Amino acid sequence: DAKTTQPTSMDCAEGRAANLPCNHSTISGNEYVYWYRQIHSQGPQYIIHGLKNNETNEMASLIITEDRKSSTLILPHATLRDTAVYYCIAARYGNNRLAFGKGNQVVVIP
Amino acid sequence: GAGVSQSPRYKVAKRGQDVALRCDPISGHVSLFWYQQALGQGPEFLTYFQNEAQLDKSGLPSDRFFAERPEGSVSTLKIQRTQQEDSAVYLCASSLEGQGGETQYFGPGTRLLVL
Repeated sequence: DAKTTQPTSMDCAEGRAANLPCNHSTISGNEYVYWYRQIHSQGPQYIIHGLKNNETNEMASLIITEDRKSSTLILPHATLRDTAVYYCIAARYGNNRLAFGKGNQVVVIP
Repeated sequence: GAGVSQSPRYKVAKRGQDVALRCDPISGHVSLFWYQQALGQGPEFLTYFQNEAQLDKSGLPSDRFFAERPEGSVSTLKIQRTQQEDSAVYLCASSLEGQGGETQYFGPGTRLLVL
């Protein structure tokens, strides 16, 4: 599976949109982009995934560039409860192994 | 409904002891996964079951690690002769059909400390 690169950490203002970047320049055509997050002392939680079209659900939006080499997870109105480590993962749809990496520690500041 | 549960939540073991960690997946979920998460790192894949069949155990770090799911529901991860480097959070996840790429639902983990 393709390697992904994320910032180590970032701060976001409460109530504002949080834009979390992810680079996956070696992603192949059959690899999806998955986002999970892990709140302190909890197991990871699925957020969203996509292949090439932008996706939106009740938690977030996923914007994937046309060349698929990068993506952005958007939390529309960040709350303090969104403070977590966010993981961007590239994986083939048939692959059951999720390669989490170190993720991006996002802190929402009041 | 009930999510994935794991027990115990915390386990302290003396080096050399055997430990058994239990995972109760979401009812009806076909696939079950074990991950190991060291402090400050992301989870790393250990093994994967589809029903009772262990289809991938390539992530198990040594032959001291053994996982089973005899009836296709509850799973146990056993670590024999524990070492200090085994200290980590052990996460269990399940997914509905095991088609790959499905959402994995994680339990809260078991935090193992080996002294």
